[in-house]
Amino acid sequence: GEDVEQSLFLSVREGDSSVINCTYTDSSSTYLYWYKQEPGAGLQLLTYIFSNMDMKQDQRLTVLLNKKDKHLSLRIADTQTGDSAIYFCAESNAGNMLTFGGGTRLMVKP
Amino acid sequence: KAGVTQTPRYLIKTRGQQVTLSCSPISGHRSVSWYQQTPGQGLQFLFEYFSETQRNKGNFPGRFSGRQFSNSRSEMNVSTLELGDSALYLCASSEDGAQLGTQYFGPGTRLTVL
Repeated sequence: GEDVEQSLFLSVREGDSSVINCTYTDSSSTYLYWYKQEPGAGLQLLTYIFSNMDMKQDQRLTVLLNKKDKHLSLRIADTQTGDSAIYFCAESNAGNMLTFGGGTRLMVKP
Repeated sequence: KAGVTQTPRYLIKTRGQQVTLSCSPISGHRSVSWYQQTPGQGLQFLFEYFSETQRNKGNFPGRFSGRQFSNSRSEMNVSTLELGDSALYLCASSEDGAQLGTQYFGPGTRLTVL
């Protein structure tokens, strides 16, 4: 079945850029997403990219997609302490069924 | 627009009981999906409802069921609760059945089974 993998933890200093990586196995993935989860909260959709795109930029967020290697990354520019959270990569190939990675905990040090 | 709302936010049950969770989607959204989040298994898809019909189903036992009403509100039910059912249950809504990349999640219902 489909599988989505992420590293568990990332620590950066405030003001630096953060890069969170994700790999997936389903070559028929149509959409790929990044969600953010803060403690005690649900999932906040940050951004998404169609599989026919290589890059998408949205303010401080840049998503890069390497379809050949099935690799997705999220870059957060000028990372702030408020960006500390768990970030989930997810993919779907049909309908609204999302397959999530295990999440990357981002810690931003002041 | 108001976001996705889930009730109750917290629930404590004992093994063998059943539970019903409720989800009200964003106004105008007709698709509602449910996910289970646990520390061990992560986020797993339970099922999706669109126009009162179950469209997709994840790999969960028959004790997990759901339904959707004509106003798009959805409920999920878990019967004969087990300790392993303790989890955060998340509901997500999207505008229609097509894949638009805009699934919005509610805050979740945290279920504890004792």
